[in-house]
Amino acid sequence: DIQMIQSPSSVSASVGDRVTITCRASQGIGSWLAWYQQKPGKAPKLLIYAATSLQSGVPSRFSASGSGADFTLTISSLQPEDLAVYYCQQANSFPLTFGGGTKVEIK
Amino acid sequence: QVQLVESGGGVVQPGGSLRLSCAASDFPFSNYNMHWVRQAPGKGLEWIAFIHYSGSDHYYADSVKGRFTISRDNSKNTLYLQMNSLRADDTAMYYCARDQSAGENWFDPWGQGTLVAVSS
Repeated sequence: DIQMIQSPSSVSASVGDRVTITCRASQGIGSWLAWYQQKPGKAPKLLIYAATSLQSGVPSRFSASGSGADFTLTISSLQPEDLAVYYCQQANSFPLTFGGGTKVEIK
Repeated sequence: QVQLVESGGGVVQPGGSLRLSCAASDFPFSNYNMHWVRQAPGKGLEWIAFIHYSGSDHYYADSVKGRFTISRDNSKNTLYLQMNSLRADDTAMYYCARDQSAGENWFDPWGQGTLVAVSS
C-alpha cells in the first residue's frame, strides 16, 4: 500500500500569511494526487486534483505543486474561512490512501 | 445540482449488520465510478470501497474486506454498502463520493455522511 505522510500535523498562522503543507508518498505516484479541505462538521471538499489543477470554484489563493513523491499545497494569503483540516490523497493505485491531515488554525 | 444523500446509519451491536444507501441526483449515475470513505470520530479519512460504474469491478480496503460489500442499482441511482460482522472500530461517519470524472479516483462531490455507531 502507498503511505501518504503529511506535515505539519497542525499550523497556526495569521490572516494574510502564506501557509504551506507538504505531502510525501512512500513511492512515486506521478501526478495522481488530490487535496481536500474539511471544515468543522462538514464533508470534505475537493480543492486540487491531478497534483496541480484547481477545482472549479476554489479561490485562486489555493495552489499546489509537485509530482512523483513530493507535493505541496499553498494558501497564499490565509483567510478566516480557511480554518479547516487539509488532506492529501493518492489516486495512483488501490487501496486509495489519505494523508493524516493538517489542521490549519487562525492566530 | 449534483447531490449525494446517504442514509441507513444508526446504532448497532458488535457482530451486527447494517446497510447504507446513497441516493444520487442530477447527474448520469450509471456513468460514474463510486466510493465509500469513512472517518472515525476525531480521526482522518479512510477510503474503504470502490465500485465501477457498470458494477462489474470492486476494490476494498483490507480493514473491511470480507465483511463489507459495495453494490449499486443504476436503475434507482443508488449506491449501497452492506456491512456485516460489525466491530467497535467500524464506528465512523460514512461518506459516499463520486469520481470527479471518469476513472480518476479523486472524489467530488461527497455526501453529507451517515453516522454508524457500533456499541453494546
